[in-house]
Amino acid sequence: GQQLNQSPQSMFIQEGEDVSMNCTSSSIFNTWLWYKQDPGEGPVLLIALYKAGELTSNGRLTAQFGITRKDSFLNISASIPSDVGIYFCAGQSYNAGNNRKLIWGLGTSLAVNP
Amino acid sequence: DGGITQSPKYLFRKEGQNVTLSCEQNLNHDAMYWYRQDPGQGLRLIYYSQIVNDFQKGDIAEGYSVSREKKESFPLTVTSAQKNPTAFYLCASSMPLSSGRPYNEQFFGPGTRLTVL
Repeated sequence: GQQLNQSPQSMFIQEGEDVSMNCTSSSIFNTWLWYKQDPGEGPVLLIALYKAGELTSNGRLTAQFGITRKDSFLNISASIPSDVGIYFCAGQSYNAGNNRKLIWGLGTSLAVNP
Repeated sequence: DGGITQSPKYLFRKEGQNVTLSCEQNLNHDAMYWYRQDPGQGLRLIYYSQIVNDFQKGDIAEGYSVSREKKESFPLTVTSAQKNPTAFYLCASSMPLSSGRPYNEQFFGPGTRLTVL
């Protein structure tokens, strides 16, 4: 199946640093979602985006729906040790109709050094 | 308290045996999904159901079967035909169309780790 191009694959940063990751698609999307997964748990929805250009924040997290509708980024400011985990982007293609399937990135693994 | 439950958290089976993973939700969600997660491969869709008594194959349905007899329940059977069944299995659901919320936000259970010996 189709996958999103998510980068970077992994990051190792110092506590307090800002983090940026992004996802790109070869086709137009009408939805971008960002999830975080802790080890051994299910992913948790962080931010949902539904309009091109939309910029949404959730605490120290900020995500944007790209103007071209083919990309999205997630920023984490002032990282803390509990930010450790795998971050996934997911989206729905513009021509998906009533089909609720999401297309997923492979994830960005974040490690934070205290 | 509303949510999605998956049981058990860890499951061990002998090779050649069928095994059924449970997924229950009390969120009144219409659609439910099963994903498989292997290290470094992200989430891959096995089956999904948008309404009771209907389900569709995902990207890796071979060796798996599902049923959707009740809105709240979407069990997944891993059959002996699945060549490499050891993995982390995740169940998810999404809101009903009538909720007025975007219906493609998926909410996940805690997962079941299946190990076939």
